[in-house]
Amino acid sequence: SQKIEQNSEALNIQEGKTATLTCNYTNYSPAYLQWYRQDPGRGPVFLLLIRENEKEKRKERLKVTFDTTLKQSLFHITASQPADSATYLCAPYNQGGKLIFGQGTELSVKP
Amino acid sequence: DTEVTQTPKHLVMGMTNKKSLKCEQHMGHRAMYWYKQKAKKPPELMFVYSYEKLSINESVPSRFSPECPNSSLLNLHLHALQPEDSALYLCASSPLWTSGENEQFFGPGTRLTVL
Repeated sequence: SQKIEQNSEALNIQEGKTATLTCNYTNYSPAYLQWYRQDPGRGPVFLLLIRENEKEKRKERLKVTFDTTLKQSLFHITASQPADSATYLCAPYNQGGKLIFGQGTELSVKP
Repeated sequence: DTEVTQTPKHLVMGMTNKKSLKCEQHMGHRAMYWYKQKAKKPPELMFVYSYEKLSINESVPSRFSPECPNSSLLNLHLHALQPEDSALYLCASSPLWTSGENEQFFGPGTRLTVL
């Protein structure tokens, strides 16, 4: 069955450092992969989308990579700020028309 | 207007009650979704409507009944729920359903508690 794994433990980093979050998937080959941010008690908010033929995508301080051989996406936040503290969800898009969300990685940026 | 609205924000209901959750978007999106999210878990897809027709039902129990009266509105009718149905119910929309290039816009959710 299709499976998505994100860093299971919370990630704690110091302000100004780069946060790197990992998303691994098995048993399927998504053509697209999306990343969302979710704050407690609120709906997810879309951040970035990357296509299978793209190696890297950037948006301001955010960068996403997509390695279809390793079946892995990495999500980077550079110059992190306390306001970046949230749960980050990766969501590969499957052929059945569904976004399948990983369990999320909780990021905490300390001042 | 790039917002998905959901009402009510909070709902407490008994196991014999009937209630409805409402969702609205005015972005012209033709796909709308219901997700269920338990604490510390990812959103789980329940239903997908595309062009006001039910396209996906993820084997959801019949005590949850979705309805899409028009392209802007999505309802979720609740009846005879169980305490384990307590969760955050999220509505989302996207321009089209069958395109992984479309981001989904989520509402703030309805926090449901079943007593």
